[in-house]
Amino acid sequence: SHELTQPPSVSVSPGQTASITCSGDKLGSQFASWYQQKPGQSPVLVIYQDVKRPSGIPERFSGSNSGNTATLTVSGTQAMDEADYYCQAWDRTTVVFGGGTKLTVL
Amino acid sequence: EVLLVESGGGLVQPGGSLRLSCAASGFTFRTYWMNWVRQAPGKGLEWVANINQEGSEKYYVDSAKGRFTISRDNAKNSLYLQVNGLRAEDTAVYYCARDAGAASGPFDIWGQGTVVTVSS
Repeated sequence: SHELTQPPSVSVSPGQTASITCSGDKLGSQFASWYQQKPGQSPVLVIYQDVKRPSGIPERFSGSNSGNTATLTVSGTQAMDEADYYCQAWDRTTVVFGGGTKLTVL
Repeated sequence: EVLLVESGGGLVQPGGSLRLSCAASGFTFRTYWMNWVRQAPGKGLEWVANINQEGSEKYYVDSAKGRFTISRDNAKNSLYLQVNGLRAEDTAVYYCARDAGAASGPFDIWGQGTVVTVSS
C-alpha cells in the first residue's frame, strides 16, 4: 500500500520560513492535502489540491507538489503555528496520511 | 454552522463491540462522501473507512476489514461505525470527517472526536 514519509520534527525561529516535506512514490501525480493539529484539538485543513488554501487560512501557509515530494511551507512563522502537521493523499481506494511532523517554533 | 458531532465511544473489554455515531448539521449531508479517521494516544492520524453518498461504496483500511462496518442514514444526517472484535490497538480518538472531494479528500470538516478505550 501507499506510504507517505514525513520528518518527525522541524524547528524554526519566529519570523523565519519552515518547510515540511512529505515523500511518496509518484506523489506528484496526485493531489496532496495538509492538516494542522494542535494539542487536544481536531485536525484543521490548511492546504488542499497541493497549493490551495481554505478560507480563513493565513497566506503564510503555502504548498507545492512535484515528483515524489509534497512540501508545506510556512513563511514568517509565528508561535501560534507550533503544531503537528500531516500530509494526506489517496491511493486508488484508500486514503493515506503521513506520520506527522511536529513543528517547533523556538 | 457546519458541524459534525461524534458519540458512542467508551471503555470496552477486548473482543467487545461499540457503535459510533456522527451527527451532521449545517450542510447537505447526502451529497458528501464521509470518513472515519482515528488517532491512537500520542500517535498520528490513521484513516479507517469511507462511504459514498448513497452508501453503496465502502472502503476500509486493512486492519478494519472484517471487524468494522461503516454506514450512513441520510434521512437522519448521520454516519455510523460499528466496531466489533475490539483489540487494545483499537484504542484511539475516532473522528468523523467530511470529504470535500470524491473519496480522495481533502477532509474539510472534522468532528471533535469520540474516545474508544479497549481494556480489561
